[in-house]
Amino acid sequence: DIQMTQSPSSLSASVGDRVTITCRASRSIISNLNWYQQKPGKAPELLIYAASSLQSGVPSRFSGSGAETDFTLTISSLQPEDFATYYCQQSYRTPHTFGQGTKLEIK
Amino acid sequence: QVQLVESGGDLVKPGGSLRLSCAASGFTFSDYYMTWIRQAPGKGLEWISYINSGSTYTSYVDSVRGRFTISRDDAKKSLYLQMNSLRVEDTAVYYCARSDYSGTFSDYWGQGTLVTVSS
Repeated sequence: DIQMTQSPSSLSASVGDRVTITCRASRSIISNLNWYQQKPGKAPELLIYAASSLQSGVPSRFSGSGAETDFTLTISSLQPEDFATYYCQQSYRTPHTFGQGTKLEIK
Repeated sequence: QVQLVESGGDLVKPGGSLRLSCAASGFTFSDYYMTWIRQAPGKGLEWISYINSGSTYTSYVDSVRGRFTISRDDAKKSLYLQMNSLRVEDTAVYYCARSDYSGTFSDYWGQGTLVTVSS
């Protein structure tokens, strides 16, 4: 299986900060990388698919980049509603494994 | 609007069986891959299975292969997960999700149903 490793595992930031979360795949996944946001007690929501395509309805402050094994999710200016846990997922080969998550907390 | 509603979660003893259902509405169910993803209490997400449109292809994570079976009924707009030989480590919230035409991302998720495996 392809292993996905996110860093950091947790992050403290303030409203208005620019934040970057990274995700590394154990082998090349081309651009088959998705990002999800999950708030406590809720189902995850798709933010980014195919590494850099913004899902409909997702604010433009979210962006994704990368290819092969290294990917990033950037939030350009944190808003209060962005404090959540973020997961990357590869969809190059089944099982479509997730990273362990990055918990973004208010500083 | 797209809606996915899971049901069937329960408390079951190790070695027992359970069938989860997911009722879909608001989209042409038969056109989409459908996926099951689970989340153990306090843990991360785990992709466990998907099924293509037309039910000609399924895939499973190794930890459930041979014990779980995914299926769909397009006439009833429903997705199912038959879970046999349940283990304590299968305890989780199980989400069904609509995936795109090639199964590569999940754009709508249900609210989840809790399966607890305990003696």
